Amino acid sequence: GDSVTQMEGPVTLSEEAFLTINCTYTATGYPSLFWYVQYPGEGLQLLLKATKADDKGSNKGFEATYRKETTSFHLEKGSVQVSDSAVYFCALSEGGAQKLVFGQGTRLTINP
Amino acid sequence: DVKVTQSSRYLVKRTGEKVFLECVQDMDHENMFWYRQDPGLGLRLIYFSYDVKMKEKGDIPEGYSVSREKKERFSLILESASTNQTSMYLCASSFSGSNQPQHFGDGTRLSIL
Repeated sequence: GDSVTQMEGPVTLSEEAFLTINCTYTATGYPSLFWYVQYPGEGLQLLLKATKADDKGSNKGFEATYRKETTSFHLEKGSVQVSDSAVYFCALSEGGAQKLVFGQGTRLTINP
Repeated sequence: DVKVTQSSRYLVKRTGEKVFLECVQDMDHENMFWYRQDPGLGLRLIYFSYDVKMKEKGDIPEGYSVSREKKERFSLILESASTNQTSMYLCASSFSGSNQPQHFGDGTRLSIL
């Protein structure tokens, strides 16, 4: 079946550092791809999405590009802030009912 | 803003009890979902529903059932709670159709003693 693999965490960076969280997927069709963020004590929030190859999703300084040739959707941010500390989930959708398949999550900690 | 409300943030129950987790959404979404979240395992889909009175099994339905009598409400039922069902439970909803994101509640942390 479809699957998502994220880079292992936890990831610890200093404020203003460059961030990359790797995400690769396996899918039989042409899924939509998502990044969700979970702040402490909260549910998941949609961070960004891309629905077809070469689409770039962006939000709050984060970006990710749908790369069909490498089956990847890596999350990047040029300068992270302490407030970006959270768990980040990569996910793909499958089927008309919008079932999501999630990666295992990457915990990010930003130190001042 | 979309609001997905889960009835409890924290819940403590005993083994063998029947447990109900409730979820309500206010955006007229067709689809509703129940996940459990465990460290190192990410989110795993338990059940989902794409219409009133309709339900589909997810990846880990064993030990759970669901009910959707009204469009806005989706209940998760632990028929006879066991300690291995101690977890964080997340409810989500979305419109049907391609590319629609899911909107999540804040979760219920359930402990089975």
